[in-house]
Amino acid sequence: QVQLVQSGTEVKKPGSSVKVSCQASGGFFRDNAISWVRQAPGQGLEWIGGLIPVFGTMTYAQHFRGRVTITADTSASTTYMELRSLTPEDTAVYYCVRAGGVDLSSPPDVWGQGTTVTVSS
Amino acid sequence: NFTLTQPHSVSGSPGKTVTISCTGNGGSIANNYVQWYQQRPDSAPTTVIFEDNQRPSGVPDRFSASIDRSSNSASLSISGLKTDDDADYYCQSYDANTHSWVFGGGTRLTVL
Repeated sequence: QVQLVQSGTEVKKPGSSVKVSCQASGGFFRDNAISWVRQAPGQGLEWIGGLIPVFGTMTYAQHFRGRVTITADTSASTTYMELRSLTPEDTAVYYCVRAGGVDLSSPPDVWGQGTTVTVSS
Repeated sequence: NFTLTQPHSVSGSPGKTVTISCTGNGGSIANNYVQWYQQRPDSAPTTVIFEDNQRPSGVPDRFSASIDRSSNSASLSISGLKTDDDADYYCQSYDANTHSWVFGGGTRLTVL
């Protein structure tokens, strides 16, 4: 049974960056696309971007383009999401989510436990 | 861009049936699979329906879903409501034009 294990809680200052990790345990990593999704307090789910490890390609939501980078270390079965120029509006729980197939058209099937990022001066 | 619209809230009594709609805008909802997620407070979402109408193992058959091409919408029905069904529900699909995941705004289900 594949599990996605994310890094711990982060508290950041406005203007700084955060890098959240997500390690896949118990299953093969390279053949599944990975997305990052966030949820601000009391709000809905928002897609940030995704990575297709087998092709090494990334795609980002327009709202985050230029401010986010998603990368992967396939040897460590780990994906990373870095968000820069943080503002208090970036305060949210960030989830990594595995797609059921090689690209993002495949439905999500495994969610990480979530990483809380708080941006405050 | 393709978007999904859900009602903010629905409610029902124990034992009754509720239906949550998810309307596609800017494209056909039938072009890609629709998934439904249940989210309880302080927990990650869990899948209750995938690929339009499939239930993961462990999800009771009280949960069912369908696609209506004529109204360009998906629907999640929960029958025999239990207090444990009290949660937020999100629909999700894929936008092939932007290669992105799309989520509905979420529906708060209250079991009275």
